[in-house]
Amino acid sequence: KQEVTQIPAALSVPEGENLVLNCSFTDSAIYNLQWFRQDPGKGLTSLLLIQSSQREQTSGRLNASLDKSSGRSTLYIAASQPGDSATYLCAVRPSNYGQNFVFGPGTRLSVLP
Amino acid sequence: GAGVSQTPSNKVTEKGKYVELRCDPISGHTALYWYRQSLGQGPEFLIYFQGTGAADDSGLPNDRFFAVRPEGSVSTLKIQRTERGDSAVYLCASSFEGDSPLHFGNGTRLTVT
Repeated sequence: KQEVTQIPAALSVPEGENLVLNCSFTDSAIYNLQWFRQDPGKGLTSLLLIQSSQREQTSGRLNASLDKSSGRSTLYIAASQPGDSATYLCAVRPSNYGQNFVFGPGTRLSVLP
Repeated sequence: GAGVSQTPSNKVTEKGKYVELRCDPISGHTALYWYRQSLGQGPEFLIYFQGTGAADDSGLPNDRFFAVRPEGSVSTLKIQRTERGDSAVYLCASSFEGDSPLHFGNGTRLTVT
């Protein structure tokens, strides 16, 4: 059974810092991996989707990498801003369990002005 | 354009009652997912529809839970004989096809008293 973990559970940084969020999964047989952002009381907003054949994806100040063989993905946020404060979740779509995404518990990020 | 819409946004019900939660996916999205999220945790998969049929219902916790998508668009999650443990945020997501990014609604917060 696929399991997804995220470290750290919470992170607080001053504005302007570059930071890395980590996601680990136990089974490397995946179709793709997706990073989401969740603001309090809201649904999830898709940030980046990496297909299993890709190594990384970039969108603005965000860069996500995927190392399928080691079961890891990182989300890099450059020049963090207070508006980046949210919970960041990663989710993997296993290639052999069906069609659903398996989510990690998230990393709660606070960017202090 | 319009995103995924979920109604109601909040639902309070008494233990033992029946509830229905509605999801309007993005127009043209063939895949629709239901997830459940408890405080401080990542979303937990419930059921996945491809078109009108439930392609994967392995996440439904027991036979009190049922979901339909009769015309391949709007979906309803139905919970019979609600229990206090059913209290959570129920999230709906849709995607254009299986490997496309997931788009989430803001969820329905269900409270069973």
